[in-house]
Amino acid sequence: DAGVIQSPRHEVTEMGQEVTLRCKPISGHNSLFWYRQTMMRGLELLIYFNNNVPIDDSGMPEDRFSAKMPNASFSTLKIQPSEPRDSAVYFCASSLEGPFSPLHFGNGTRLTVT
Amino acid sequence: AQSVTQLDSQVPVFEEAPVELRCNYSSSVSVYLFWYVQYPNQGLQLLLKYLSGSTLVKGINGFEAEFNKSQTSFHLRKPSVHISDTAEYFCAVTDTNAGKSTFGDGTTLTVKP
Repeated sequence: DAGVIQSPRHEVTEMGQEVTLRCKPISGHNSLFWYRQTMMRGLELLIYFNNNVPIDDSGMPEDRFSAKMPNASFSTLKIQPSEPRDSAVYFCASSLEGPFSPLHFGNGTRLTVT
Repeated sequence: AQSVTQLDSQVPVFEEAPVELRCNYSSSVSVYLFWYVQYPNQGLQLLLKYLSGSTLVKGINGFEAEFNKSQTSFHLRKPSVHISDTAEYFCAVTDTNAGKSTFGDGTTLTVKP
């Protein structure tokens, strides 16, 4: 099993630019999560999908952030326009049965907005 | 609302010494409990989980944890640590009703030779 695959591993962009982060969950997992990790705030859940449907997006910081899951094997997290305070490591995770099952994390995307 | 408190932000220990990483939680409903480990530049990996049953849970890499409902704790232990255990450890709880997950702030375990 290849695990959860995220791309890119690193992204450096200028303030105001659009950023798209990508995630391929583990095959057969029906839930997908986007987390953000910073030193100040730790791990924060941004959004959670179940069977490709957004279930909880209460953690999405503001309208600049959007996430989609067009099918069971792909999800994107988009930030438009990006700001320096968005700099963080963004993790995608998947699980067999929602948040009650252990999460399998990708290696993350380190985003730097200058 | 629920919260997770990892009582130690940093734990330095010598190789082959025992270690305990402490985790306390609060929740108005019953919870599932997890410990994850994060190595540098990687995502989190599951160490062990408590869903129900025996309160002593054994995980990978020789770690174990004990669920104490009265003290709302889920401390992680290992009788003898290795250099390779150096990592950040996260305690997490998920409420059994809404499925809301909360992570602690993490404990950095540093194993010294």
